[in-house]
Amino acid sequence: EDQVTQSPEALRLQEGESSSLNCSYTVSGLRGLFWYRQDPGKGPEFLFTLYSAGEEKEKERLKATLTKKESFLHITAPKPEDSATYLCAVQAPTDGLTFGKGTHLIIQP
Amino acid sequence: SAVISQKPSRDICQRGTSLTIQCQVDSQVTMMFWYRQQPGQSLTLIATANQGSEATYESGFVIDKFPISRPNLTFSTLTVSNMSPEDSSIYLCSVDLAMNTEAFFGQGTRLTVV
Repeated sequence: EDQVTQSPEALRLQEGESSSLNCSYTVSGLRGLFWYRQDPGKGPEFLFTLYSAGEEKEKERLKATLTKKESFLHITAPKPEDSATYLCAVQAPTDGLTFGKGTHLIIQP
Repeated sequence: SAVISQKPSRDICQRGTSLTIQCQVDSQVTMMFWYRQQPGQSLTLIATANQGSEATYESGFVIDKFPISRPNLTFSTLTVSNMSPEDSSIYLCSVDLAMNTEAFFGQGTRLTVV
């Protein structure tokens, strides 16, 4: 059974204080690892897909990395508008996405 | 990218009734997915809907409770049948684009059952 564990559950940072969110996973044949951002009352917003260990992707202040067991979402010099819940999900070859419970990120001005 | 429209965006329903949620995509897609997000929880896959075939349901979800239609490559519906307060959730439609490079979600339907 595919499993995704995200940590921490919640994180409060000061504006400009960089940090990382963790996503540990077990899956039978990783087809892709997905990161999403979700704002209250909205559907998940796609950020990245990673496919193989060693792969990295960047978008503005966000950088996602992948190993064989986990992925990190690094947030550099965050701003208050980066406050959201960040979701990690994995996909096996014939399945939909299996999501973690998310990390609720708050960036204080 | 893909633009996904869900209707209704929210509804309040009486227990015992049924609600059909529509999902419209602005491009043709092979696979469409339906997820449920219960209050304070993450997303759980309900079923996969491919055009021209019966939907495939995940463990804990059955067709009688969540019938799905997929009449063409741009549209799908999910019905929540015989609703109870435990069905109060956000229901989300998702699509895979070519080779699963990206998976996009609609804005969701917030369902409250009273």
